[in-house]
Amino acid sequence: GDSVTQMEGPVTLSEEAFLTINCTYTATGYPSLFWYVQYPGEGLQLLLKATKADDKGSNKGFEATYRKETTSFHLEKGSVQVSDSAVYFCALSEVQGAQKLVFGQGTRLTINP
Amino acid sequence: SAVISQKPSRDICQRGTSLTIQCQVDSQVTMMFWYRQQPGQSLTLIATANQGSEATYESGFVIDKFPISRPNLTFSTLTVSNMSPEDSSIYLCSVAPWGTYNEQFFGPGTRLTVL
Repeated sequence: GDSVTQMEGPVTLSEEAFLTINCTYTATGYPSLFWYVQYPGEGLQLLLKATKADDKGSNKGFEATYRKETTSFHLEKGSVQVSDSAVYFCALSEVQGAQKLVFGQGTRLTINP
Repeated sequence: SAVISQKPSRDICQRGTSLTIQCQVDSQVTMMFWYRQQPGQSLTLIATANQGSEATYESGFVIDKFPISRPNLTFSTLTVSNMSPEDSSIYLCSVAPWGTYNEQFFGPGTRLTVL
């Protein structure tokens, strides 16, 4: 079945550092790809998405590019802030069929001032 | 987008009892989903609830343990039955509004502790 694999966490960085959180997927079709974020004490929010190969999703300074050839959707940000501290989940959803989300294991990010 | 509320926000229950969680959406949606997030873990889909049909359960989840109702296009309930401490989790509902290309919006979750 479909699956998502994220880089192991937790990740700790200093403010203004460059961030990469790796995400690879396995899917039988051509899924949509998502990054969700869960800030401390809050619910799950959609951060960005990409629906087809070579699409780039972006939001709040974060970016991720849908790479079909490497089945990847790595999350990047050029300069992180303390407020970016959260748990980040990579997820996929098949376009056809049940449209359910399959999540990666999550990566806890802590940014120190 | 969609605004989703859940009740209760948290509860502490005794083993062997049942808890019903409510999910209310501010607009009509066809597809609603129930997820479980065990402590420190990722989200796992329990079932998909479409209005007018029986819920579809994922492998490892059964209707007797997690009965779901979907009486209309803005509301659903999930019951956690005959609870044990292993059921301690955050339970989240989500919706996939029309035209959002599989994008899902999540409720704030219900934090359940079973003693």
